[in-house]
Formats: sequence, C-alpha cells, structure tokens
Amino acid sequence: DAGVIQSPRHEVTEMGQEVTLRCKPISGHNSLFWYRQTMMRGLELLIYFNNNVPIDDSGMPEDRFSAKMPNASFSTLKIQPSEPRDSAVYFCASSLDPFGRASLQTQYFGPGTRLLVL
Amino acid sequence: GENVEQHPSTLSVQEGDSAVIKCTYSDSASNYFPWYKQELGKGPQLIIDIRSNVGEKKDQRIAVTLNKTAKHFSLHITETQPEDSAVYFCAASGTFGNEKLTFGTGTRLTIIP
Repeated sequence: DAGVIQSPRHEVTEMGQEVTLRCKPISGHNSLFWYRQTMMRGLELLIYFNNNVPIDDSGMPEDRFSAKMPNASFSTLKIQPSEPRDSAVYFCASSLDPFGRASLQTQYFGPGTRLLVL
Repeated sequence: GENVEQHPSTLSVQEGDSAVIKCTYSDSASNYFPWYKQELGKGPQLIIDIRSNVGEKKDQRIAVTLNKTAKHFSLHITETQPEDSAVYFCAASGTFGNEKLTFGTGTRLTIIP
C-alpha cells in the first residue's frame, strides 16, 4: 500500500530560484494538505484542498508561494522566488473526507521535502 | 483561531516507566484531538485520536484523556520502550468554518534504557 509520495526528498537551491515540490496523495483520498515545519514555528498548515479545490490558503506566507491540484492524484507547491527563510521541511498529507470536514478525518503524512535555500 | 499549547517540550523517562504529555486548547468548539508521533527524518504518523463525545480512549500501551470543561487533553504511554523515543505532537480541530488541524509545539520524548 503506497502512502503519500513526495518529491524531491531533498532540495538545495540558491536564493531567487524557483522551487517546485510535488505530492501524490493516497489513492482515493479527496483532501490534501501542505504543511511547513521549522524549529521556530513548528508545524504550520499552508493550504488545503478538498476534491481538488483550494479550501483555505490563509496559511500561505506570501505571494511567492502558490499551490495547485490539477487532479486527484497530484499537487504542487511552488516558491518563486525562493528566499533563505523558506528553508524548512515541507510535508504533504492526505485524508479521506466524504463530508467536507477534512480535518476530522485521519491525515496521512508523506516523508517530507527538506528544502535549503542558500 | 485555535491555539494549542503543549508541555513539556522535552521528557526523559526510564524504560518501563510511564510518560505523560499534556495539551491545552483555546477554542471550546473544537471536537477532534489527534496525537502524532514523528520519528527522525519521517513525517508525523497518527498514533491515537479522540473526539469530544468521549472522555478516554486506549490502544494497548497508549491512552488519551480529554477534559472538555478544562479544555485540555493528555497522552499517556505506559511501559515505555526504546522505540517510543520520538517527537510527539498534539492537535485540535473541528470548529465549524475553521476546520484545520492546529498542532502543538511538540514534545521530544527520550526513553533511557
């Protein structure tokens, strides 16, 4: 049983470059979440989708961040341009939510992408 | 919005002893409280959760208690083993119109052999 798949697992880039993180949720799940984890701020929700539609993006730090979910099996989180303060571990999680109350169902996390912006 | 506080930030216990981690939340309308375990280099994994219509839930060596009046919930691990060493996060959610999981700041649990 494949869990949530994220790529790349590690990314090192220079300030100003575009970074794209990818996520494949568990097959059949209809809610997808993007989180950022840092020592200073802990685990923060950036955005979540339900049935491929963005429901809440209030956690997206600024316009440099954007997320898409073109279909039920793929999502991207893009940072353009990247800055050193974006260095963090980015997690994608998915859940099965038949009633639209996404957070009341178990969220399954991927292994994360460790991003370092120099 | 919801605010979740978690204590302690670090905890060391002798193997075989019990460990308790406590969380408080601010939004009285929250009704779902999961606990996640995160091992080094991995994503958080759900270990147990509780909903507001239940005061306690057990799963082998792990139990969670919920006091809705006081707005706090706790994780209890009994007969701790070395593989219990990890970072544990509590979370809360469920308020209508604000259904995101808000996580605590984490507790690094170390089991001393």
